[in-house]
Amino acid sequence: EVQLLQSGGGLAQPGGSLRLSCAASGFSFSSYAMSWVRQAPGKGLEWVSSISGSGGGTDYADSVKGRFTIFRDNSKNTLYVQMNNLGAEDTAIYYCAKTPFFDFWSGQSSYFDYWGQGAQVTVSS
Amino acid sequence: EIVLTQSPATLSLSPGERATLSCRASQSVSSLLVWYQQKPGQPPRLLIYDASNRATGIPDRFSGSGSGTDFTLTISGLEPEDCGVYYCQQRSDWPTFGGGTKLEI
Repeated sequence: EVQLLQSGGGLAQPGGSLRLSCAASGFSFSSYAMSWVRQAPGKGLEWVSSISGSGGGTDYADSVKGRFTIFRDNSKNTLYVQMNNLGAEDTAIYYCAKTPFFDFWSGQSSYFDYWGQGAQVTVSS
Repeated sequence: EIVLTQSPATLSLSPGERATLSCRASQSVSSLLVWYQQKPGQPPRLLIYDASNRATGIPDRFSGSGSGTDFTLTISGLEPEDCGVYYCQQRSDWPTFGGGTKLEI
C-alpha cells in the first residue's frame, strides 16, 4: 500500500523559513517523480514543485522559484521542500504527491496518483 | 498558463441521479486532462487520468470524456459518499487546476 506521511509545517514569520518532509513507503521511491501541491485556505489547488526519481531534475512554479528548494533522499525514501523568505501568500496546506512517472516533465507534465495527508503552513507575524 | 474553468460551481442532486461536471480549457490540452475528488479535511483522490482512464480502485460509476478544450466527468447512480469537491487538472503544460465543482447529495 502506498503511503506518504508528512511532517513539518507550522507557523513562520514573514521572511522566515520552514522545511516540510514526506516519508514514502509501499513503492519503489526512487523510480518515481514526486511533487508538492498546495491549497490556500478555502481555495483550489496549486502545483508548487516537482523532482525526478533520481533527484537530478527539478521544476518550480514561478510563484516559488528562487525561494523554495525541493530535494529528496532516496536512501531514506523521503521527499523534502525547504521554504525560505516566506510570505503571507504562502499560507496553505501543503501536500506531497507521487506521480506515475520517473520524470515529471517529458513533453508534458504529470498527474498525481497518491497524496500525503497534508501539512499546514501559516505565515504570520 | 492554461486556464481551466469548471461548471457548475455547485451541483445539488439526489442519490441515484446522474451528475455531469464540466471542465473547459483556455486552449487545447489534447486528452491530457485529469479529475480528482476531495472531501473535507482530506487530500485529493485521483479519479480519472488522461480524460477517460479510471484510476486504480475507482468504481465504474465514474467516467470521463472529452478532448481538446471540453471535458466531462459523469457520475452515474450517485451515492451519498460521492459528495465533495471535484477538480480537473491539465498536464499538457505545467500543471494547472480548475476552481472546482462542489457536489452536494
